[in-house]
Amino acid sequence: QSVLTQPPSVSAAPGQRVTISCSGSSSNIGNNYVSWYQHLPGTAPKLLIYDNNKRPSGIPDRFSDSKSGTSATLGITGLQTGDEAHYYCGTWDSSLSAVVFGGGTKLTVL
Amino acid sequence: EVQLVESGGGLVQPGGSLRLSCAASGITVSRDYMGWVRQAPGKGLEWVSVIYVSGPTLYADSVRGRFTVSRDNSKNTLYLQMNSLRAEDTAVYYCARGTGSSWSFDFWGQGTLVTVSS
Repeated sequence: QSVLTQPPSVSAAPGQRVTISCSGSSSNIGNNYVSWYQHLPGTAPKLLIYDNNKRPSGIPDRFSDSKSGTSATLGITGLQTGDEAHYYCGTWDSSLSAVVFGGGTKLTVL
Repeated sequence: EVQLVESGGGLVQPGGSLRLSCAASGITVSRDYMGWVRQAPGKGLEWVSVIYVSGPTLYADSVRGRFTVSRDNSKNTLYLQMNSLRAEDTAVYYCARGTGSSWSFDFWGQGTLVTVSS
């Protein structure tokens, strides 16, 4: 049981927009920045978003995030087949003194 | 270019030990926050441990007391000593560099597989 809750799967058509939610509590999302990662099987996870919508070099602005209270949302616009992957949210949990991740969401581009 | 290369994984019996290494280039492990994250077969990402620039370390409840993270500044290498291994420790272990204000990880290695089985 993950500290952060994500939907197991989402799907959308190429070119469309999809959102992935991440729900937590005041000890994690409510008072800390959220990170988002893309993970393809057999590869290293890739950081997409961190610290309030900052994107590492090379990450397109098709990826964005938002936060409201104890929930965060990753948005992906202009979906491409190459976006099919697992997506994870993560943050610091001040009560646990631990880094916590969501259970992951599998994105299918139909 | 940043590269993190893990090694040391393999098959080990329950109760055994392994030491994972993460050789870094393009970053300096002594001047960066570093961590270990694992992924068990068919499961999601699970945080294992972090080491702060100043030296303090933190561990997930599931490994505290059994795993120890350390670094060798002269070799620019991060380590994870794993003792009293259990079947549930079977996973791909990734080392990663920490960044940002809430322990994001911006550079990751390719991972090394640890299998705990008799």
